[in-house]
Amino acid sequence: SAVISQKPSRDICQRGTSLTIQCQVDSQVTMMFWYRQQPGQSLTLIATANQGSEATYESGFVIDKFPISRPNLTFSTLTVSNMSPEDSSIYLCSVEVLAGYGYTFGSGTRLTVV
Amino acid sequence: QQPVQSPQAVILREGEDAVINCSSSKALYSVHWYRQKHGEAPVFLMILLKGGEQKGHDKISASFNEKKQQSSLYLTASQLSYSGTYFCGTDYTDKLIFGTGTRLQVFP
Repeated sequence: SAVISQKPSRDICQRGTSLTIQCQVDSQVTMMFWYRQQPGQSLTLIATANQGSEATYESGFVIDKFPISRPNLTFSTLTVSNMSPEDSSIYLCSVEVLAGYGYTFGSGTRLTVV
Repeated sequence: QQPVQSPQAVILREGEDAVINCSSSKALYSVHWYRQKHGEAPVFLMILLKGGEQKGHDKISASFNEKKQQSSLYLTASQLSYSGTYFCGTDYTDKLIFGTGTRLQVFP
């Protein structure tokens, strides 16, 4: 399975500001996935990031709020823009290195917006 | 179209068995199972592909009934290390959608 380095692990941010989360994978992958997990809840898919194309966003998530970059096959960033307290959550990146062997997750970024 | 899991929570004594169910309103082609411990990322347990084959992982096994669009996770002779939240995941069009989750607590 892959190893994913996700940064930062946590942050406390002022409302109205932006935070960029980075994920580095130790192998090349076609798709990277960004999830949000609110306290005590399941994981909700934000978007799928393919290298060389625009990210595909799920219903309820928009590019202006969650811009994503995917400059190469091992790296991606998610920015949470113009933050409000409702954005306080854990954000996780994920990859599927080989079909049938499950998804691997980064350690997550715990974001608190004050 | 988030898969629905039942029960929402289970409390067990060590050595007891449990079953967690996952039900989808859409046709299933594969089902994943993950366990997430508090403060950690989800960890992959197993995947079941269309065909109903039951998979095993130590004393944890699962079944998949594509006709009923359901999967079940079986935990046998539970250990303290089994505590956590279990999620099923359905792989729709190359993306994983997680179920509602089942919190499992195992006590000595």
